Amino acid sequence: DAKTTQPPSMDCAEGRAANLPCNHSTISGNEYVYWYRQIHSQGPQYIIHGLKNNETNEMASLIITEDRKSSTLILPHATLRDTAVYYCIVRVNNNDMRFGAGTRLTVKP
Amino acid sequence: GAGVSQTPSNKVTEKGKYVELRCDPISGHTALYWYRQSLGQGPEFLIYFQGTGAADDSGLPNDRFFAVRPEGSVSTLKIQRTERGDSAVYLCASSLLGGGAGETQYFGPGTRLLVL
Repeated sequence: DAKTTQPPSMDCAEGRAANLPCNHSTISGNEYVYWYRQIHSQGPQYIIHGLKNNETNEMASLIITEDRKSSTLILPHATLRDTAVYYCIVRVNNNDMRFGAGTRLTVKP
Repeated sequence: GAGVSQTPSNKVTEKGKYVELRCDPISGHTALYWYRQSLGQGPEFLIYFQGTGAADDSGLPNDRFFAVRPEGSVSTLKIQRTERGDSAVYLCASSLLGGGAGETQYFGPGTRLLVL
């Protein structure tokens, strides 16, 4: 099953776009890329997912490279409440998800 | 609508005791998942239910851990003879059909278990 690589931490200024990268170089053609985040002491919160095309919803945008070996989660206008650990997950064909260590995003005023 | 709920939110027990953790999935969701999250790490898969049956229990660490979902809705995770190493946040998630990687799992707030 594919694994993901994310930077352990990132900072972002409030009001600016936060761009969180994820490498998944061994992803296979039928595996989805999912993003969740976890704010301290809460359960993981679904953000967005995609297969091949870029996706956008009310929370974020997901940009997947053409070769699908990497992706970027974009929070267009980060707020202090976006401070959290962000997990990039590649879904295998069974029904569990394998979380890595994620990226700890700190949004600073 | 209501999300996934878990009770209790916190549980403190003594080494060797038995504990039960409860999960109420989103109404109508047929798939239910249990995960365990240790401090500073991402969640780790434990078990997945499709309806009443455990479709995949490969993540359960040993035979002290057991989970049931007798009516295909509420699930209980049971831990016998608890050990200090069982201390963690136990997370429950549910999804509508559980049919594959394109379906989103929605998580509850977790139960924080502390074994003294």
